[in-house]
Amino acid sequence: AQTVTQSQPEMSVQEAETVTLSCTYDTSESDYYLFWYKQPPSRQMILVIRQEAYKQQNATENRFSVNFQKAAKSFSLKISDSQLGDAAMYFCAYRRARGGSNYKLTFGKGTLLTVNP
Amino acid sequence: DTEVTQTPKHLVMGMTNKKSLKCEQHMGHRAMYWYKQKAKKPPELMFVYSYEKLSINESVPSRFSPECPNSSLLNLHLHALQPEDSALYLCASSQDLFGLAGGFQYFGPGTRLTVT
Repeated sequence: AQTVTQSQPEMSVQEAETVTLSCTYDTSESDYYLFWYKQPPSRQMILVIRQEAYKQQNATENRFSVNFQKAAKSFSLKISDSQLGDAAMYFCAYRRARGGSNYKLTFGKGTLLTVNP
Repeated sequence: DTEVTQTPKHLVMGMTNKKSLKCEQHMGHRAMYWYKQKAKKPPELMFVYSYEKLSINESVPSRFSPECPNSSLLNLHLHALQPEDSALYLCASSQDLFGLAGGFQYFGPGTRLTVT
């Protein structure tokens, strides 16, 4: 079974600084998708960034980028120039590309990010 | 329009009540999902609909009854709930169940349910 581990239950960062959230996963699959979701206190889960495992290039979305290390099964999220609005719970998620249960997102336990002014 | 809407935002119900949660999307998505989320925990998948048919039931108790009247609408009917069912109920949709589009799920803001 696939598992996703976020080893940092809480993180804090100063406004305008850079922070990296860790995520590791365990799978025997070679083809899969990885996602970072953000859930602010307003509760809505928002997709931040996604990565296809067959792509070697790291995904980037504005101030958000990932460091995808397939061999190490690591998928960390870097937030540059942190803003107060980045404060949220961040979930890392995995999904198989094919086969049974490929509809299912496996989530990590989350990292609560605080941004200090 | 990349929005999933859910009503009501908050719901308080007694253990003998019957109530329904509603979810709507107008993105043409053919897969819709119900999740349950406890505080500071990740969402847990409950049901998956694909092309308006129930595809997946993650062993959810029968006091939760999903319904998909059409491709844009998803309901969750609640009856005889227990206090431990109090949680945030999230609806999500995706283009379909397969490929990257299946994992690219748009979530609604959720309904905060309290069972007294």
